[in-house]
Amino acid sequence: RKEVEQDPGPFNVPEGATVAFNCTYSNSASQSFFWYRQDCRKEPKLLMSVYSSGNEDGRFTAQLNRASQYISLLIRDSKLSDSATYLCVAPGRGSTLGRLYFGRGTQLTVWP
Amino acid sequence: ETGVTQSPTHLIKTRGQQVTLRCSSQSGHNTVSWYQQALGQGPQFIFQYYREEENGRGNFPPRFSGLQFPNYSSELNVNALELDDSALYLCASSSQKDTEAFFGQGTRLTVV
Repeated sequence: RKEVEQDPGPFNVPEGATVAFNCTYSNSASQSFFWYRQDCRKEPKLLMSVYSSGNEDGRFTAQLNRASQYISLLIRDSKLSDSATYLCVAPGRGSTLGRLYFGRGTQLTVWP
Repeated sequence: ETGVTQSPTHLIKTRGQQVTLRCSSQSGHNTVSWYQQALGQGPQFIFQYYREEENGRGNFPPRFSGLQFPNYSSELNVNALELDDSALYLCASSSQKDTEAFFGQGTRLTVV
């Protein structure tokens, strides 16, 4: 079983829509998780960290459900600039930071 | 800009050849991780270097090797290149105290 699993999509939504992505993780001992954003042919960049039950930053809300071992990312009022691939990330077992397990990414396209 | 730089940005090699990719970590970061990202997939952990020692390795064969230098910059070497080695190779640096791994822009390797 993979460390992190997520639906690759694609998700195609109109501007202003609300969209949610889910991902599941296998290591029940993991304490922190991340959502990274990756634009086409660019490097991943940290979007949000999730350390407890959830985290909110403007239009973006990340939630963690430890009992079910899944993480979600909610984007409200989608903008054209939100079009990207969103990567769900969990840290490796007992590792220093930097050793990360990525899902395959969920592709989002926001259309006018 | 993350302060993590990788070189070269693009590279074309022939099957069977060897390649060396380079990464300069962000100032103050002593940990460097390397990832391989195939088209349509999330980054896959290759290995990590911490204070010049390998500190964990993913599921990659021995022909993938690395080095970290006293200034914490790093190299990734791949011998006997195969067509499936074609991918974006990402370097990420972090420090023990950080909560984020910073990625370089990547090296896009094409094996023909």
